[in-house]
Amino acid sequence: AQTVTQSQPEMSVQEAETVTLSCTYDTSESDYYLFWYKQPPSRQMILVIRQEAYKQQNATENRFSVNFQKAAKSFSLKISDSQLGDAAMYFCAYQGAQKLVFGQGTRLTINP
Amino acid sequence: GAVVSQHPSRVICKSGTSVKIECRSLDFQATTMFWYRQFPKKSLMLMATSNEGSKATYEQGVEKDKFLINHASLTLSTLTVTSAHPEDSSFYICSARDARSNQPQHFGDGTRLSIL
Repeated sequence: AQTVTQSQPEMSVQEAETVTLSCTYDTSESDYYLFWYKQPPSRQMILVIRQEAYKQQNATENRFSVNFQKAAKSFSLKISDSQLGDAAMYFCAYQGAQKLVFGQGTRLTINP
Repeated sequence: GAVVSQHPSRVICKSGTSVKIECRSLDFQATTMFWYRQFPKKSLMLMATSNEGSKATYEQGVEKDKFLINHASLTLSTLTVTSAHPEDSSFYICSARDARSNQPQHFGDGTRLSIL
């Protein structure tokens, strides 16, 4: 079975600084997707960024970028120029043939 | 973008009653819908996967007679918590995707269920 591990329960960063959230996963599948979701206090699940496993190029979305290391099964999220609105729970997720598997989450705090 | 509507957003009811939660895809056909449960400060736990017109597939440890799932159309799935008890109190989230496309799942806004 696929597993997703986020080893940082909590992280904090100063406003305008850069922070990296870690994620590792385990799978025997060759074709899959990886995601980062943001869950603010409203508890909405907001898709931040998506990476297709077959693409070598790291995905970027404005201030959000990933470092996808397929051989190491690592998928970290970098948030540049952190803003107060970035404060939330961040979940790393894996999707293979069927279901989405979530990591435990990292609570990100932004210090003004 | 794709929108999933989940209703109600909040429900409080007495122990022993049944509660139905609806999940609708508003602008795409949801061939597959998923139901998750989330405990406070925890991750999302998949309860079941439903494909339109088929019986739902439940994850290990989830009681199918307690959590009834119906996915009768390409735009609607329902989760009914039968004979609810305080331990069923939780945050329930649905998601939907069109399995014929490579689009990711789209999530509803969740339902906070409180059983007194």
